[in-house]
Amino acid sequence: QVQLVESGGGVVQPGGSLRLSCAASGFIFSTSGMHWVRQAPGKGLEWVTFTRYDESHKWYADSVKGRFTISRDNSKNTLYLQMNSLRPEDTAIYYCAKMSSGQSFDPWGQGTLVTVSS
Amino acid sequence: QTVVTQEPSFSVSPGGTVTLTCGLNSGSVSTSHQPSWYQQTPGQPPRTLMYSTNTRSSGVPDRFSGSILGNKAALTITGAQADDESDYYCVLYVATGIWVFGGGTKLTVL
Repeated sequence: QVQLVESGGGVVQPGGSLRLSCAASGFIFSTSGMHWVRQAPGKGLEWVTFTRYDESHKWYADSVKGRFTISRDNSKNTLYLQMNSLRPEDTAIYYCAKMSSGQSFDPWGQGTLVTVSS
Repeated sequence: QTVVTQEPSFSVSPGGTVTLTCGLNSGSVSTSHQPSWYQQTPGQPPRTLMYSTNTRSSGVPDRFSGSILGNKAALTITGAQADDESDYYCVLYVATGIWVFGGGTKLTVL
């Protein structure tokens, strides 16, 4: 079945860096656009970034532009999110999601928690 | 700055009908915004309910329906059940490569 599994979350100090991974299976990853979406504790969903299947175009929310970088390795069916200059307000569960029909997000991974704190 | 608006909370009686809406601070929502809807229970990732305004995702019961009502996207639940008690999020495709989620609606069934 279609599955997305995130990893790489943890506790990091403000100003630090972290790289998240999202392992995909059950679908043709190399032809699928992919998103990262985050959810701060007790808050709503926030779209973070998207990459087309071939990385020809990438888009970012203003809140992370210049600090976060989305990338992918289609040979490994894996999506990445490199997060630099982390701030306390970046604390959230980070979900990867596949771009699906009608610009929708489906499926979603279980998420990985990133905590930015000193 | 583009803001997508949703009711913070809503209450419905078991068996009742409720319509949640999804608006845009900069104008009207249309089908070109490709509204989609997600259901989330505590500790779980979101589950896709609806996409392209009114197409139900696989396995979603037909008591969930989507539409454009006036200048907003809408999700209607007909015959609400106890396990519909969840947070509901809409997302709009507002520009090339830009998606914006609404703040979510906490639905209580009582």
